[in-house]
Amino acid sequence: DGGITQSPKYLFRKEGQNVTLSCEQNLNHDAMYWYRQDPGQGLRLIYYSQIVNDFQKGDIAEGYSVSREKKESFPLTVTSAQKNPTAFYLCASSPGLAESSYEQYFGPGTRLTVT
Amino acid sequence: QQQVKQSPQSLIVQKGGISIINCAYENTAFDYFPWYQQFPGKGPALLIAIRPDVSEKKEGRFTISFNKSAKQFSLHIMDSQPGDSATYFCAASMRSNYQLIWGAGTKLIIKP
Repeated sequence: DGGITQSPKYLFRKEGQNVTLSCEQNLNHDAMYWYRQDPGQGLRLIYYSQIVNDFQKGDIAEGYSVSREKKESFPLTVTSAQKNPTAFYLCASSPGLAESSYEQYFGPGTRLTVT
Repeated sequence: QQQVKQSPQSLIVQKGGISIINCAYENTAFDYFPWYQQFPGKGPALLIAIRPDVSEKKEGRFTISFNKSAKQFSLHIMDSQPGDSATYFCAASMRSNYQLIWGAGTKLIIKP
């Protein structure tokens, strides 16, 4: 069953703690993305990676960090420096440069609540 | 110039009616225009997409109309059904970086 998995679905953390959100894909896609979605809002790009061991900042990278050590995995760490971390986080992947494809496929999302 | 402007922010349509959502862009380098559908608590899913070499693309009840000279594209949902109630996002991309530039979304409610 091919797709993108994100875990956990719901995550609760105390302010000041770092937290890592998991994203795994078995679609053999080169590119992966992290978005943040606030209630009633659109998608804002946090980080993206077009190839293993390489990633770029998106529009709202401050307070976040990522790694891309394996093609299938792109974890996102929300650090204590992120001022308003409570949001719905979406991971996506696309075939990328290898297939000249723009289509992005999304995971089910992780809802992070920080109190 | 990187923005994609989407309207309306919300839309209520009677069952069986036509739902129309519009998007406009400035950057003429965009060459791929998808529409995504998102249900509450779920990730967006690709609905339909168009490239600027065609003016219309239809898939079932969903049609994209594309006006290159006006730099506008729209999603038409024919015979709208309560199951179509969702948030719809338009987006645009260019071949140079494969990132999607997203519209702000339209919350569509289909009344039975």
